[in-house]
Amino acid sequence: QQKVQQSPESLTVSEGAMASLNCTFSDGTSDNFRWYRQHSGKGLEMLVSIFSDGEKEEGRFTAHLNRASLHVSLHIREPQPSDSAVYLCAVSIPGYQNFYFGKGTSLTVIP
Amino acid sequence: GGIITQTPKFLIGQEGQKLTLKCQQNFNHDTMYWYRQDSGKGLRLIYYSITENDLQKGDLSEGYDASREKKSSFSLTVTSAQKNEMAVFLCASSPRGYNQAPLFGEGTRLSVL
Repeated sequence: QQKVQQSPESLTVSEGAMASLNCTFSDGTSDNFRWYRQHSGKGLEMLVSIFSDGEKEEGRFTAHLNRASLHVSLHIREPQPSDSAVYLCAVSIPGYQNFYFGKGTSLTVIP
Repeated sequence: GGIITQTPKFLIGQEGQKLTLKCQQNFNHDTMYWYRQDSGKGLRLIYYSITENDLQKGDLSEGYDASREKKSSFSLTVTSAQKNEMAVFLCASSPRGYNQAPLFGEGTRLSVL
């Protein structure tokens, strides 16, 4: 079964500094990667999807994928206090409908 | 824009009780999902459905039933609530197709006394 692990568990950054979140996965055939964000008491908001090695930018959010290293990361440029939330990595394998989620990284952005 | 509506937002049950959670989407999406979110454990798939009257078990289906009565709605039943159980149940939907990202509702928060 796919294992998805996120690090760090929690991260505090100052407003305007880059925030970097990490996600490792166990199944090397994985080819569908999503980053979601969840504000307290809310549902999940999809931030960026990536399907091939390299990077994908959506506004201030950039995902980097290195499938050989079983690693996908999320970088948040110029984070704001409103970006304080739990960030979830989701991974799927070819032809499979289910996404496996990590436990999340809790990000706090200090003004 | 569309919306995924989950009812109720909060659900308090008794041990052994059968509890039903409902989800409606107006995106006209084919696929719908139920995930369970526990503190410290991430999201785990309970059931999903790729079309009306279709049901597929996820990794956590034991103890649950699901029903896709029509394309826009997907319900989940906890067959026997466990004492002190606390979790958030998240419904999601996506268009048909492998690379389509699920969109999520805001969840139903379950507490069992």
